[in-house]
Amino acid sequence: AQSVTQPDIHITVSEGASLELRCNYSYGATPYLFWYVQSPGQGLQLLLKYFSGDTLVQGIKGFEAEFKRSQSSFNLRKPSVHWSDAAEYFCAVGVEGNTGKLIFGQGTTLQVKP
Amino acid sequence: EPEVTQTPSHQVTQMGQEVILRCVPISNHLYFYWYRQILGQKVEFLVSFYNNEISEKSEIFDDQFSVERPDGSNFTLKIRSTKLEDSAMYFCASTLPGAGSEAFFGQGTRLTVV
Repeated sequence: AQSVTQPDIHITVSEGASLELRCNYSYGATPYLFWYVQSPGQGLQLLLKYFSGDTLVQGIKGFEAEFKRSQSSFNLRKPSVHWSDAAEYFCAVGVEGNTGKLIFGQGTTLQVKP
Repeated sequence: EPEVTQTPSHQVTQMGQEVILRCVPISNHLYFYWYRQILGQKVEFLVSFYNNEISEKSEIFDDQFSVERPDGSNFTLKIRSTKLEDSAMYFCASTLPGAGSEAFFGQGTRLTVV
């Protein structure tokens, strides 16, 4: 069965420091991969997505993610974190079958220290 | 920018009561979804809806749940007899067809069952 694992439940980084949030997936075919961000009390906003082609994808707010098939990973990175990046981040895999259903990871809560 | 809208933003209901959560998907989208997020847990798929019928549902989506597209714009989730464990944030989403299509999420309805 398809699954997504985000090993880090909570991460704290200092403002200006680099960030990497880990995501591993289990899926038999080529996955469609997404990162969503959820600010407190808000809905889910798409940061970036990977469908095919270049394995390094750029997203909004200065985020990028790299798809590594050999490691079944899709880690999210940002070179310099801003205090406004504090939020919960969800990795998700899109399931084939044209339903567009997403399987989400547990989420990683990012705290940014001044 | 088109968006998915959900009403109400917060609903409190007594156990055993029926609730209807409402969503207006993006107008040219064809697939509609409900997801649930229990506090502190991952976002879970409930149901997908296409061409006026359920295309897929999770094991969570039992006989207490139903969905409907009563007119050309609204998409509703009904819980017939709410239980305490139904307390969660419910997200509506919509997409164009295709497993890789970006899902646009609404802001969510926080349902509290007392």
